[in-house]
Amino acid sequence: QQQVKQSPQSLIVQKGGISIINCAYENTAFDYFPWYQQFPGKGPALLIAIRPDVSEKKEGRFTISFNKSAKQFSLHIMDSQPGDSATYFCAARVGSEKLVFGKGMKLTVNP
Amino acid sequence: DAGITQSPRHKVTETGTPVTLRCHQTENHRYMYWYRQDPGHGLRLIHYSYGVKDTDKGEVSDGYSVSRSKTEDFLLTLESATSSQTSVYFCAISGQGFGYTFGSGTRLTVV
Repeated sequence: QQQVKQSPQSLIVQKGGISIINCAYENTAFDYFPWYQQFPGKGPALLIAIRPDVSEKKEGRFTISFNKSAKQFSLHIMDSQPGDSATYFCAARVGSEKLVFGKGMKLTVNP
Repeated sequence: DAGITQSPRHKVTETGTPVTLRCHQTENHRYMYWYRQDPGHGLRLIHYSYGVKDTDKGEVSDGYSVSRSKTEDFLLTLESATSSQTSVYFCAISGQGFGYTFGSGTRLTVV
């Protein structure tokens, strides 16, 4: 019930391509869905987030799509750049400000 | 990261010795968290705090204890370190409605 399942585990795309990361959850009490980006040797940093009453949120090249009925959400990175190479985590929150994280996806964008 | 610091950044210790990791924040946030990050497991919650002297267990709390005597400091203690506790440990803080801010991490090696 508390899990967030993330796929794929890794992804390699060419510069300019679209990167897509998917997450699924079971607990309908989750009320906040953030994505975090982590570079090697650094802590994760908040990238973009969405609430379940919104189906899509876009910030620059990053878009979250949210499907409440399917209990799925995804991150799309348009025009992927080598600087986007990082590990991406989806997460979900249920009460008490406590986040549950997916296992992460390592993105490599080739020049 | 601004507003949150972890110490030490790296530590090597021997099996069976006690280890304390420190997280210090200057944001006056109510919530503080300790996570561990391991390949294939993503970020897993060890313990969290929702106020001074108010703490609770996460999903991987066995072998760990925490203390929070001041708003700004959250300590994680490994009473008797084991090799399975070799990991990267992240502290995070959260204010109401503002997602998490992570520290830069502590890389702990138990030999």
